[in-house]
Amino acid sequence: ETGVTQTPRHLVMGMTNKKSLKCEQHLGHNAMYWYKQSAKKPLELMFVYSLEERVENNSVPSRFSPECPNSSHLFLHLHTLQPEDSALYLCASSQDQGPQETQYFGPGTRLLVL
Amino acid sequence: SQKIEQNSEALNIQEGKTATLTCNYTNYSPAYLQWYRQDPGRGPVFLLLIRENEKEKRKERLKVTFDTTLKQSLFHITASQPADSATYLCALPPDPGGYNKLIFGAGTRLAVHP
Repeated sequence: ETGVTQTPRHLVMGMTNKKSLKCEQHLGHNAMYWYKQSAKKPLELMFVYSLEERVENNSVPSRFSPECPNSSHLFLHLHTLQPEDSALYLCASSQDQGPQETQYFGPGTRLLVL
Repeated sequence: SQKIEQNSEALNIQEGKTATLTCNYTNYSPAYLQWYRQDPGRGPVFLLLIRENEKEKRKERLKVTFDTTLKQSLFHITASQPADSATYLCALPPDPGGYNKLIFGAGTRLAVHP
C-alpha cells in the first residue's frame, strides 16, 4: 500500500463504547497529525506527533487519547464520546515539521456517535 | 489569532471557463500559503504552495497568487472541467511561531457544469 491509510473507514459507536482509529503512513515521514472535520467547518487540528513524540495537543478533551508507537503508525483511542464528536477524522503525515512541509492525508474515518 | 476566510457559498461555473477562488487572512502575513483539494468523504490533497516572496505560482491549469498587501491569495483553474468539481481549501501557519502546523479555511465548493 502507498500513502496514508486509515481504518476503519466508517464507525458507529455508542457513548459508552471504547474504540480505536488506526492510521498508517508508508511515506517514511517523521510527523503525523490527527484532525477533526465537522460538516461545513474547517479542519480542526487535534494532535501532532514528531518522531513519535507528541508536540501539540490542541485542547482536546481527554476522551480522545492518541498513541504513536512508531513513526509509521498513529492511533486515536476513543471512549465515552458524545454525539457532537460525530465527524470525519483525518490522519495526515509530513516529512518533518518544517515551515513549508506539505501534508499528506488519509481517506478519513467517518465516525457516528449515537 | 489568525483567521482564514473563504467564500462559503458554492461557485458554479460553466465548463471551459476560469474559476477563481479567494482566500483572505486576517492577521499577520504568513511565510507561505498552501492550497488543497478535497472530494466528498475523502482527505484533502495538496495542490500548490506559494511563498511570501512569490507573487504567482503555476502548475498545469492551476495558478495561485499571493498579495500580502491585500492579505489575500487567489486560486485560479483555467479551462475548467467537471472533474475539477470539489472543495478547495487554503491553509497557512496560525502564527509566526506555528511552523509545525497549519490552519485550514472551511473551503469553497466549486461545481463545474458541462
